[in-house]
Amino acid sequence: EDKVVQSPLSLVVHEGDTVTLNCSYEVTNFRSLLWYKQEKKAPTFLFMLTSSGIEKKSGRLSSILDKKELFSILNITATQTGDSAIYLCASSSGGSNYKLTFGKGTLLTVNP
Amino acid sequence: ETGVTQTPRHLVMGMTNKKSLKCEQHLGHNAMYWYKQSAKKPLELMFVYNFKEQTENNSVPSRFSPECPNSSHLFLHLHTLQPEDSALYLCASSQGAAAWGTDTQYFGPGTRLTVL
Repeated sequence: EDKVVQSPLSLVVHEGDTVTLNCSYEVTNFRSLLWYKQEKKAPTFLFMLTSSGIEKKSGRLSSILDKKELFSILNITATQTGDSAIYLCASSSGGSNYKLTFGKGTLLTVNP
Repeated sequence: ETGVTQTPRHLVMGMTNKKSLKCEQHLGHNAMYWYKQSAKKPLELMFVYNFKEQTENNSVPSRFSPECPNSSHLFLHLHTLQPEDSALYLCASSQGAAAWGTDTQYFGPGTRLTVL
């Protein structure tokens, strides 16, 4: 059975701190790994990773995938209170039976 | 209007009611999805349509019935639901086709469903 595990499940930091969120996966026919941010509404897309070792960056957020060790990390530098959200990791598998498996998410709280 | 829209945003229904959730995407995508998000559980994929053909249903109970009349519209018909079906139901769309499995999914705002 496909599995995505995120850690930590929750994290409390102060503004300005740097955080690293972890995501490990075990899926068959892996195609991509996706990160989403979810506040009090639907998830919004952050990154999609398909190749190992290539960092994707958007402002203070960056992410990288290791397909050998089957994990990804999401880094947020100089955190702000607006970064407080649940960060979801998902792994997609292609082929005739499409699957998208989500982790339970990491609840990040950034205090002023 | 752009993106993925869902109606209604909130729905309260009894266990004997029949209702439908609607999703519309304005992104020119070919694939659409229904998800269920319950409290304290991971997001669950319910149904997948690629080019209007259902490709995955993940053993969803028959009281949930999807309909995809075209690539832009997706419905979820609900009947004789149970209180444990109360959740946020999210619709998403993606490019699909050749990009299947590596395409980004874009979510609608969701329908908050409460079953009494």
